[in-house]
Amino acid sequence: GENVEQHPSTLSVQEGDSAVIKCTYSDSASNYFPWYKQELGKRPQLIIDIRSNVGEKKDQRIAVTLNKTAKHFSLHITETQPEDSAVYFCAAVLSGGYQKVTFGTGTKLQVIP
Amino acid sequence: NAGVTQTPKFQVLKTGQSMTLQCAQDMNHEYMSWYRQDPGMGLRLIHYSVGAGITDQGEVPNGYNVSRSTTEDFPLRLLSAAPSQTSVYFCASSYAGVGNQPQHFGDGTRLSIL
Repeated sequence: GENVEQHPSTLSVQEGDSAVIKCTYSDSASNYFPWYKQELGKRPQLIIDIRSNVGEKKDQRIAVTLNKTAKHFSLHITETQPEDSAVYFCAAVLSGGYQKVTFGTGTKLQVIP
Repeated sequence: NAGVTQTPKFQVLKTGQSMTLQCAQDMNHEYMSWYRQDPGMGLRLIHYSVGAGITDQGEVPNGYNVSRSTTEDFPLRLLSAAPSQTSVYFCASSYAGVGNQPQHFGDGTRLSIL
């Protein structure tokens, strides 16, 4: 089955700096890569996603890049703000009937004011 | 729309007890899933369903049962609770349209087994 590795497990940045979280996946058949943000005690919520036919996608301060050859994808947050502090999960989705989702183990991001 | 609704929000059980975690969605999503979330381990798939009457096992199915009699509801049953099942449980649903679709999560059920 699919295996997703996520690094780093914790990340501290100064407010205004950039944060980068990296994930690798094992199954080349995975073709959809969502990112979820989970605030303390809350549900995971989708913040951005990318499909395998696209190399990069941007949404304001958030961007995701995908390298299919190397089987890795990354989340970039620019101009970080204290409200960006949360746990971020990457995921890889295998298509074909049910969309089996494999999550990374999460990155706890702390933005220091 | 309420989205995905989970009940209860918190529960404490004794070892050996059984209980059902409820999950309902009002978005007419075909796909529904149950995950457990443990510190440092992300979200792991327990069971999932692609439609009413169809269920299958995920990564960690032992000790849990599911059923899907309607599109809206997908309850998770703990047959005989064990301390190893102490976790936060999330139910999620997604649309089965063309192309991959993001999942919508409920607020979670925090379960402690003593």
